Amino acid sequence: GAVVSQHPSWVICKSGTSVKIECRSLDFQATTMFWYRQFPKQSLMLMATSNEGSKATYEQGVEKDKFLINHASLTLSTLTVTSAHPEDSSFYICSARDASGSSTDTQYFGPGTRLTVL
Amino acid sequence: RKEVEQDPGPFNVPEGATVAFNCTYSNSASQSFFWYRQDCRKEPKLLMSVYSSGNEDGRFTAQLNRASQYISLLIRDSKLSDSATYLCVVNKKGRRALTFGSGTRLQVQP
Repeated sequence: GAVVSQHPSWVICKSGTSVKIECRSLDFQATTMFWYRQFPKQSLMLMATSNEGSKATYEQGVEKDKFLINHASLTLSTLTVTSAHPEDSSFYICSARDASGSSTDTQYFGPGTRLTVL
Repeated sequence: RKEVEQDPGPFNVPEGATVAFNCTYSNSASQSFFWYRQDCRKEPKLLMSVYSSGNEDGRFTAQLNRASQYISLLIRDSKLSDSATYLCVVNKKGRRALTFGSGTRLQVQP
């Protein structure tokens, strides 16, 4: 099946620093990628939709200047958490849709990145 | 009201038991439905899509009732490896992102 990778798988950083998370589709092209966040014992919440070659679409309540998204190619989207604070500590998961059109609504998820801000 | 509602559980069942999970969704424009499985500290993985006619995959049976906006998942002959959180997921028409329920936790005991 389709594979999506994320890097890093976990990161610990100090408050005030910025952290970049990469999401790659390894064997298919993805014009659209999604970034979700999951706090402990809660559901995945969509943060933003990343569109190749254009600006990301952010969900209500998600600060676009804090969570910078770049989707420069059909296989890579990055999420940068700027000036991270302890409340940003969470499990960040990306997903990608196959742009070939052969799949219906199937999204392929990356393994997630666990961010801990001290 | 949440868009997708699930009983959080946990459901503690013995091996071999049959267990059923339910889910309701609020948006009648929803057009695609799925069950995902998520293990602790892992990403969700697609278990099965759900169709109006009902569908079965081995020990797993999913049902959709559009009139009642209700989705179910039945697991027969539970295995220890079935222990996980089961996420009810819907996709609204015209929206590419998925909407997740908060999940139902299943613990199968020996």
